[in-house]
Amino acid sequence: QVQLVQSGAEVKKPGASVKVSCRASGYTFTDHYMHWVRQAPGQGLEWMGRITPNSGDTVYAQQFQGRVTMTRDTSITTAYMELSRLTSDDTAVYYCVRDQYWGPGALVTVSS
Amino acid sequence: QTVVTQEPSFSVSPGGTVTLTCGLTSGSVSTSYYPSWYQQTPGQAPRTLIYSTNTRSSGVPDRFSGSILGNKAALTITGAQADDESDYYCALYLGSGISVFGGGTKLTVL
Repeated sequence: QVQLVQSGAEVKKPGASVKVSCRASGYTFTDHYMHWVRQAPGQGLEWMGRITPNSGDTVYAQQFQGRVTMTRDTSITTAYMELSRLTSDDTAVYYCVRDQYWGPGALVTVSS
Repeated sequence: QTVVTQEPSFSVSPGGTVTLTCGLTSGSVSTSYYPSWYQQTPGQAPRTLIYSTNTRSSGVPDRFSGSILGNKAALTITGAQADDESDYYCALYLGSGISVFGGGTKLTVL
C-alpha cells in the first residue's frame, strides 16, 4: 500500500529556511508526480508545486517562485521541499501528495 | 490570475442531497481541468474523494459522486450523514503542470 511518511514539526526564525522530507513506499517512486500543498492555520489548501521524480523536473506555483525548491533522492525514494526567507505567513502544515494519497503533514512554525 | 470559486458554506439535512460546485472566475470548467475533490475534518489531513471529474478514490462510498454541471465541476453527496460535516475543497489542473485549489466549502449537516 502507498505510504508517505513526512519529517517532524519544525520551528524556524524569520528569514531562515526549512526543508521538509517525504519518504514514499508501496509503489514505484519514479512513476508518479509528487505534489506539495500547504495549509495555514484556519485557512484553505494551497498548491505549492510538483516534482517529477524520474527527471527531477519541477513546476512551482507563481507565488512561491524564487523561494521554493523541490528535489528528490530516488535512491531512498524521498522527496524534499525547501522554502527559504521564511516569514510568519509561512506558518502552516505542509503536505506531500501523490495522486490521491496524502502524507500526514509537517507543521512548520515561523516565530521570532 | 485564475481563481477557483466554491461556495463558502452550505447546509444539508441528514439524509438529504447536496451539490457543491467548483468554478472559475473566467471561463468554464470542463473535464480537461481534471477536477478533484477533497474532504477535510479539523486536525486531519485531507482525504481524496474524487479525481478526474468523477472517479472515486478507493474506499469512498458511492454516496459521493463527481460531475460537470453547466460550467462548473460538482460534488454531489446523497443521503448525507452526520460525519459528512467537513470542509470540502476542489482542485483544478490549469495546464503546464499548474494546479489550484478553491477556497473550500464548509458543509454543515443539520
